[in-house]
Amino acid sequence: GQSLEQPSEVTAVEGAIVQINCTYQTSGFYGLSWYQQHDGGAPTFLSYNALDGLEETGRFSSFLSRSDSYGYLLLQELQMKDSASYFCAVILNKIIFGKGTRLHILP
Amino acid sequence: ETGVTQSPTHLIKTRGQQVTLRCSSQSGHNTVSWYQQALGQGPQFIFQYYREEENGRGNFPPRFSGLQFPNYSSELNVNALELDDSALYLCASSPGALSSYEQYFGPGTRLTVT
Repeated sequence: GQSLEQPSEVTAVEGAIVQINCTYQTSGFYGLSWYQQHDGGAPTFLSYNALDGLEETGRFSSFLSRSDSYGYLLLQELQMKDSASYFCAVILNKIIFGKGTRLHILP
Repeated sequence: ETGVTQSPTHLIKTRGQQVTLRCSSQSGHNTVSWYQQALGQGPQFIFQYYREEENGRGNFPPRFSGLQFPNYSSELNVNALELDDSALYLCASSPGALSSYEQYFGPGTRLTVT
């Protein structure tokens, strides 16, 4: 089957760096995307990796290793507004989302 | 540029009834995907429409059906509602089927089945 695994919760301190991991059991996918969702809000697109390696977009970076079936989202200089749920998603002929990681940020 | 809009925002239905949810895609986007999101879970892919044709389907029964119109707006229809259909239904558009990695989500329709 096709599945993605993410930690259910992660806690970090304001100003710090946090990494949210995503491991998957699927093959033949086009790439790995990351979305952010605040409580009561809609998911918003953050990043996409079509190829192995690191993609950087401001404070957020995303990494993909197809050989390790693994990816991660890296958030730097954490701000309180980054408190949200983060989802990884693989793109095939359908889109499969992970269950999400709830990020808690402490002042 | 108008974003993705959905209607209604909230809906309460009774088990066994039918429901139609509507979505207007972002200007210039010809691909629409529908998702079901239960509380505390990730969005579950229902199906995708590209230029009025179904372009992929998740593990949902046939009582979940959809349409896409020439202006690329879309409908999700659910027949014979069950209690487990209570969820947030999200619509997302993208510039093309090959750009599905970057989706723009609407605010969702909260469906409650009693």
